[in-house]
Amino acid sequence: KQEVTQIPAALSVPEGENLVLNCSFTDSAIYNLQWFRQDPGKGLTSLLLIQSSQREQTSGRLNASLDKSSGRSTLYIAASQPGDSATYLCAVRRSQGGSEKLVFGKGTKLTVNP
Amino acid sequence: DAMVIQNPRYQVTQFGKPVTLSCSQTLNHNVMYWYQQKSSQAPKLLFHYYDKDFNNEADTPDNFQSRRPNTSFCFLDIRSPGLGDAAMYLCATSRDLRTSGGGNEQFFGPGTRLTVL
Repeated sequence: KQEVTQIPAALSVPEGENLVLNCSFTDSAIYNLQWFRQDPGKGLTSLLLIQSSQREQTSGRLNASLDKSSGRSTLYIAASQPGDSATYLCAVRRSQGGSEKLVFGKGTKLTVNP
Repeated sequence: DAMVIQNPRYQVTQFGKPVTLSCSQTLNHNVMYWYQQKSSQAPKLLFHYYDKDFNNEADTPDNFQSRRPNTSFCFLDIRSPGLGDAAMYLCATSRDLRTSGGGNEQFFGPGTRLTVL
């Protein structure tokens, strides 16, 4: 059974700092991995999608990496801003049988202090 | 803008009183999902539609039902809400793995916050 873990559960940093959020998964047979942002009481906003054959994806100040063999992904946020404060979730999609299902981690709650 | 829309954003119901949540999409995606998310927890998949094919998760209670009358709309029916069903309900869409060439990113709506009194 695929399990996704995100550590730490919460992170507080001063504005301007570069930071890394971690995601690990137990079964390396994934099709892709997706990072999301969730603001309090809101839905999920897709940030980056990495296919299993890719090593990283970049969007603006965000860079996500994937090491499938070790079951790890990181989300790097450069020059953090207070507006980056949110919960960040990673989710993996299994590759067996064309499953459409995502398995989510519980997220890392990020607070960027002005 | 293409998007996923959920109505209502906030729903209050009484214990045992049936409630229906709705989701619509303008992305023309053939896969639609319903998730339940409780406070500080990961979203939990309840079921998903692959076109009109309904796929129920093994641990989804019978109290939860769904309808998808056409590509654009999907409904979540809770037949007899209990206090434990209070949660955020999230609808998502994607293209399927076969036709998307791997680009089957899931797009989420804003969610419906359900309160059960």
